[in-house]
Parts: sequence; C-alpha cells; structure tokens
Amino acid sequence: AQRVTQPEKLLSVFKGAPVELKCNYSYSGSPELFWYVQYSRQRLQLLLRHISRESIKGFTADLNKGETSFHLKKPFAQEEDSAMYYCALKYNNNDMRFGAGTRLTVKP
Amino acid sequence: ETGVTQSPTHLIKTRGQQVTLRCSSQSGHNTVSWYQQALGQGPQFIFQYYREEENGRGNFPPRFSGLQFPNYSSELNVNALELDDSALYLCASSPRAKTGHNEQFFGPGTRLTVL
Repeated sequence: AQRVTQPEKLLSVFKGAPVELKCNYSYSGSPELFWYVQYSRQRLQLLLRHISRESIKGFTADLNKGETSFHLKKPFAQEEDSAMYYCALKYNNNDMRFGAGTRLTVKP
Repeated sequence: ETGVTQSPTHLIKTRGQQVTLRCSSQSGHNTVSWYQQALGQGPQFIFQYYREEENGRGNFPPRFSGLQFPNYSSELNVNALELDDSALYLCASSPRAKTGHNEQFFGPGTRLTVL
C-alpha cells in the first residue's frame, strides 16, 4: 500500500543550524514526491517537487529510491522557516498521499 | 487573480445529517481536488474533478460525493454524517491537463464538526 511516513511530529532547531525533515515512502511504482508547507495562518502551499530538482527558500530534497526517502534539508535555518511541513506522494496519476506532517520551530 | 475560496468557513451538523461544502477554483484552473484533514493528520485525498468529471478517488465511501460545474467551481456532499467526519475539508485547484501534475493551490478550508 502507498504510505508516506514523517517520523517526527515536532522538530526544533536554533537559527543558523542545519535542519533535516525526514520523509519515507512506500510505493511500488515510480514515485512523484512533493513537500508542502503551511505557515501560521496561511494556506497549504507547494514548497518543492522532486522532478524539478530545485532549491526553494534554501530548501532542497533529494529522492533516494534505494532508501525510499525524500528528506527536506536546509543548511542554515531561519526563524521564518517555522511552519508545518508535509511530504506528499502522488500515485495513480491523480491520488495524493500526505504524511502526518512535521512542525518545525526555529528558535532565535 | 482570485485565489481558491471555500464556503462556509465553519459548520456544525448532527449525526445522520447531510452537508454540502463549496469551492471556487482559482481563475483559469479546470481541476479541483478535495481533501479531508483530521486533527493532527495530513490531508487525505477524497476525489478529484477535471472538466466536470470525477478523475480519481481515494478510499472514501460513496456517501462522499461531488460535483464540478461548468465554471469549474465544485461541491463536496457528505450524506449520513458520522462523528468521524469531523475534520477540516480542503479544496485545491490546479490548471492541469487530464494527465500529469501541476501545482495545486489550496483554499483555506471548511471546518466541519459533527455532533
């Protein structure tokens, strides 16, 4: 069955420290993976997708098919990065499976 | 350009009742997806509509149904409400073709409470 696991519900780091939000997936097909972010009092929005191989707001995520992971990383966290982060897997062309989310807090 | 809007913002119903939630997609978007987000969980895919036809469905019973109108706005209907239907219901629109994936733009959600 398709599944997305974000093992950490809460993650707290200090400003300037590196941050890694973990995401593991299970899917027998070719995965399309995304990271969505929800800042306080804002809507859920796309942060990045693996096929774009882009860096957004300093965040990157690499798809590791061997480890079935798509961890989100940033070398130097900023206070404005504090938000809820969701990893999502697209399968069957239209279905999206979201993880339970990780709340990141960046302390000053 | 107007973003995705949803109505109502909050809704309280009792068990067994029926509810209709509404979504206006972003201008130029022809695809609408609905999600259920229970407290402390990520969004769960309910179904997607593309050009007025259902174009994918998650693991939800038939009492969850939907419509998409010619202007691409959409409704989510839930019959025979159960306590576990209490959740935030999110609508997301995208300018996608029938296949492939374009960025989804989410609405603010409708908070449904079933008593």
